[in-house]
Amino acid sequence: KAGVTQTPRYLIKTRGQQVTLSCSPISGHRSVSWYQQTPGQGLQFLFEYFSETQRNKGNFPGRFSGRQFSNSRSEMNVSTLELGDSALYLCASSVSGMGTDTQYFGPGTRLTVL
Amino acid sequence: AQTVTQSQPEMSVQEAETVTLSCTYDTSESDYYLFWYKQPPSRQMILVIRQEAYKQQNATENRFSVNFQKAAKSFSLKISDSQLGDAAMYFCAYRTLNSGNTPLVFGKGTRLSVIA
Repeated sequence: KAGVTQTPRYLIKTRGQQVTLSCSPISGHRSVSWYQQTPGQGLQFLFEYFSETQRNKGNFPGRFSGRQFSNSRSEMNVSTLELGDSALYLCASSVSGMGTDTQYFGPGTRLTVL
Repeated sequence: AQTVTQSQPEMSVQEAETVTLSCTYDTSESDYYLFWYKQPPSRQMILVIRQEAYKQQNATENRFSVNFQKAAKSFSLKISDSQLGDAAMYFCAYRTLNSGNTPLVFGKGTRLSVIA
């Protein structure tokens, strides 16, 4: 099976712009989670989608949003970008998203905000 | 809230030697999973090993094993016969089972260097 894929791998944006990142889960996986990774804060949970519904959300401002499509592919959007949004954004997929499931991570999208 | 602490930001080991990475966590839950993830320089996070809290036996995966001390809330990773390909960031992570779907809670990571 193909692994989790994320596009694009690298993005450079300027403050105030918005950006959309995409994640394609492993075939058969219906849960997609998003994490932000920064040197200072480490890995922080953004949100999780299952069957096109957001089931869980981390402590991030409303500028961060996401959605999931019927084929389980997911996108996250960040509006009004700030310098502090520069990070590696990782998505992870699992079969059901429940506690016993293993999450498989994609390679990430490196976002740089100038 | 649950927290995961990795007290060693960086470690190094000679090739073929053994190294142990430390992890402690704080939780009031009784049912949970613990994980070690590896993130090589290419950035793809890979699951190394996982431990169910209700199991007393320590998990083992080839050269990787854990020392799980539930009472002490400690979960260390031992890498035996270290190889150059083991060089990476290692993250300890926790996930409760008591609330349905919950996210992974990660430690800040330990950067492991392997010296030839």
